[in-house]
Amino acid sequence: DVKVTQSSRYLVKRTGEKVFLECVQDMDHENMFWYRQDPGLGLRLIYFSYDVKMKEKGDIPEGYSVSREKKERFSLILESASTNQTSMYLCASSSFRSNQPQHFGDGTRLSIL
Amino acid sequence: QKEVEQDPGPLSVPEGAIVSLNCTYSNSAFQYFMWYRQYSRKGPELLMYTYSSGNKEDGRFTAQVDKSSKYISLFIRDSQPSDSATYLCAMSLPYSNYQLIWGAGTKLIIKP
Repeated sequence: DVKVTQSSRYLVKRTGEKVFLECVQDMDHENMFWYRQDPGLGLRLIYFSYDVKMKEKGDIPEGYSVSREKKERFSLILESASTNQTSMYLCASSSFRSNQPQHFGDGTRLSIL
Repeated sequence: QKEVEQDPGPLSVPEGAIVSLNCTYSNSAFQYFMWYRQYSRKGPELLMYTYSSGNKEDGRFTAQVDKSSKYISLFIRDSQPSDSATYLCAMSLPYSNYQLIWGAGTKLIIKP
């Protein structure tokens, strides 16, 4: 089974802090994704990466950056956390082959105070 | 108008009932269709994955795609309290290696 592991289940940070969310997958997948999930808005793509050191903006990249130094690891960075970034953050991975389903971690519930 | 529409619910049914969950979409080019199940405070897990039109069955679950109506359904037979979760539909275009278009999810409650 695909295993996607997010380093923290719950995180509380203060406004203005730099926040790092980490994700590791064990299936040698080329693609990795970061989403945020908010009630009534569904899943929104922040960034995705199709290879080491490669990244593409998703639908809502403002206020975020990402890092992918190793194939199995994808980090989401909140450069200066704000209260409107309080959300559930989900990491996913998939094979490079076209139209493969994405496999998710259990999410990080992030609160910015 | 959203590309994928999904009634948020909640949908509450008694145990043992047949459940029907639905999504409508506007882009006729979508070819791949997925259903995910998400329990509270967990990530989405893939439930069903279908290509183009037709039905796919897996145990108590059946996924149905009607491309002419731009409508997909997930049926759950003999529903159990453990089926209580949010169900998300997702779809993609041919040759897409990343872009999934998501419904907002339907919350399902199965009453014992």
